[in-house]
Amino acid sequence: GENVEQHPSTLSVQEGDSAVIKCTYSDSASNYFPWYKQELGKRPQLIIDIRSNVGEKKDQRIAVTLNKTAKHFSLHITETQPEDSAVYFCAASTTLLRGGADGLTFGKGTHLIIQP
Amino acid sequence: SAVISQKPSRDICQRGTSLTIQCQVDSQVTMMFWYRQQPGQSLTLIATANQGSEATYESGFVIDKFPISRPNLTFSTLTVSNMSPEDSSIYLCSVWTSGRAPYNEQFFGPGTRLTVL
Repeated sequence: GENVEQHPSTLSVQEGDSAVIKCTYSDSASNYFPWYKQELGKRPQLIIDIRSNVGEKKDQRIAVTLNKTAKHFSLHITETQPEDSAVYFCAASTTLLRGGADGLTFGKGTHLIIQP
Repeated sequence: SAVISQKPSRDICQRGTSLTIQCQVDSQVTMMFWYRQQPGQSLTLIATANQGSEATYESGFVIDKFPISRPNLTFSTLTVSNMSPEDSSIYLCSVWTSGRAPYNEQFFGPGTRLTVL
């Protein structure tokens, strides 16, 4: 089955600086890579995702890059703000030809701390 | 997006008992998933529930412990049977929204926080 490794487990950055979280996956069949943000006591919220037919996707201050050859994908947050403090999870899955997708395999999470 | 509700939102149960968690979605979806999030940990997929067929369980999870029902395209239940303190977790249902890429994605319900004494 799929195995997703995520680093670092904790990341502390100064407000306004950039944060980068990295993940690797093992199953070359995986083609869907979402990132979730989870605040304390709340459900995971999708913040950005990328499919294997693109190498990069950006949404305002958030970007995700994918290297299929290396089985590696990363989340980049620029101009970090206090509200970015949360736990971030990467995940991998395989979308199905008939529609839908397999369930997600998650990384262990990164606790992002934005220092004022 | 999809609106997902779960009942109960939290419960405290005695060991050896069972709890059934309900998940309701505001639209018809083919695929529903159940995840477990142990305290301070990541999410782990328990099983995939498709309407009209038996649920598919991940390694380490069995039907006798986590029976699942999927009676229609908007509802599913997960039962945690013969509970022990190790079952204390947040249980989340999730749906893969319909539609063509890139407009489909996986959304999570609010979760059920279970404490087993």
